[in-house]
Amino acid sequence: QQQVKQSPQFLIVQKGGIPIINCAYENTAFDYFPWYQQFPGKGPALLIAIRPDVSEKKEGRFTISFNKSAKQFSLHIMDSQPGDSATYFCAAGRGGGSQGNLIFGKGTKLSVKP
Amino acid sequence: KAGVTQTPRYLIKTRGQQVTLSCSPISGHRSVSWYQQTPGQGLQFLFEYFSETQRNKGNFPGRFSGRQFSNSRSEMNVSTLELGDSALYLCASSWGQTGANVLTFGAGSRLTVL
Repeated sequence: QQQVKQSPQFLIVQKGGIPIINCAYENTAFDYFPWYQQFPGKGPALLIAIRPDVSEKKEGRFTISFNKSAKQFSLHIMDSQPGDSATYFCAAGRGGGSQGNLIFGKGTKLSVKP
Repeated sequence: KAGVTQTPRYLIKTRGQQVTLSCSPISGHRSVSWYQQTPGQGLQFLFEYFSETQRNKGNFPGRFSGRQFSNSRSEMNVSTLELGDSALYLCASSWGQTGANVLTFGAGSRLTVL
């Protein structure tokens, strides 16, 4: 019940494409769903986060779609660029995100070809 | 504004030894969380400290321990090292109070156990 399942593991798109990464969770106590981006040699960095009271949130080229009934959420990257090539992690947490104990998906390695 | 600083960045130990890793959070942040990152298991939560008290604990054996000092700096210790402890250990800091807290990660300490 504590798992967050993320797919796909690897994703290759052309520049300008819209990669979509999906995550699913079981525990309905989760109420905070962030996405993190990690470049080689760096720690993960927060991209965007959502709470279950909204179905979509957009920040720049990044959009989270959230389906509470299906217990699924996804990340869309509009007009993807080679600089977006990184590993993306979805995560889930409780307490509205007030605490540091997040459950992470296994990650998606995205490659955007020029 | 200084980020999260982790030391050492790289270290090599042998089985049976112990290791101490250090984390200096962003100034003003009172929460420090530790994560283990491996290719197979991804990012796994170890523990979180808030105002010198352990607030949350992940599912790791007692060989993994931590503490937080009054200036919010944190250390984690792994005793009786095993080969499987080879990993990138990430520290993240946040305000740690109500509301969605952005976890800011350090670059990590890469531990190799021979």
